[in-house]
Amino acid sequence: EADIYQTPRYLVIGTGKKITLECSQTMGHDKMYWYQQDPGMELHLIHYSYGVNSTEKGDLSSESTVSRIRTEHFPLTLESARPSHTSQYLCASSEWGGPIQSLHFGNGTRLTVT
Amino acid sequence: AQKVTQAQTEISVVEKEDVTLDCVYETRDTTYYLFWYKQPPSGELVFLIRRNSFDEQNEISGRYSWNFQKSTSSFNFTITASQVVDSAVYFCALTGSSNTGKLIFGQGTTLQVKP
Repeated sequence: EADIYQTPRYLVIGTGKKITLECSQTMGHDKMYWYQQDPGMELHLIHYSYGVNSTEKGDLSSESTVSRIRTEHFPLTLESARPSHTSQYLCASSEWGGPIQSLHFGNGTRLTVT
Repeated sequence: AQKVTQAQTEISVVEKEDVTLDCVYETRDTTYYLFWYKQPPSGELVFLIRRNSFDEQNEISGRYSWNFQKSTSSFNFTITASQVVDSAVYFCALTGSSNTGKLIFGQGTTLQVKP
C-alpha cells in the first residue's frame, strides 16, 4: 500500500499570501510529481523530480515552485497566491527504473484563494 | 504529441447495470503504457490497472474488465453489475518511452451509480 501524504487537506487563504503545500512519501521513491486538477476535473502535470536536487517544469505552466532537498519530501510553494490558483493539487511518486510503475497519489490539497 | 480522450463526461446508471467507460489514445511511441485510475469523492487517485503496448490480452479483475485494442487505439473499461460504491471519476492515462513516466490524463468520466 502506498504511503504518500499531503498537508494541508484543505486551505483557504487570501490573495497575496505565500503558501507551501507539503508532500512526503515513505517508500523511498526517486520520482515525484505535482499535478493540478482544475474544476473540470482534468489533471495537468506542473512539476516533477527524478531525485534529490532535480526539478523540472511540467506540461502546464505554473507560477509555483518546487524543491527536492530530501528524497522523501517534495514541497510546492506559491510566493503570492491569487484566485486563479484555486484548484486541487495532487502529489504522486513512483519508483525509478525497470518497467514503468504506476503512480501512487496522495489525497490532494484543495486550495481556495479568496 | 500524446493525447488521451474520454468522450463521456458523465454517465448515470442504476445499480446492477453494466457500464463501459471509453478511452481513446494517441501516441507515436511504439512502447507505451496505459492506465486507469479511480477518484472517489474523497479525492485521492486509486490505481486500477496498467497495460503495456505489447500485451493486448484483455484482463478481468472481479467486476472490472479492460479491453485493449491497438487497432482502434482504445482501452475501454467495463464494470459489470455496478454498485453505488463504484460512483467516482475515472481517468484513463498514457505514458510512453518518450516521456519517461510522466502521465498524460484524459478528461475523466464521472460515473454515478444510483440505488
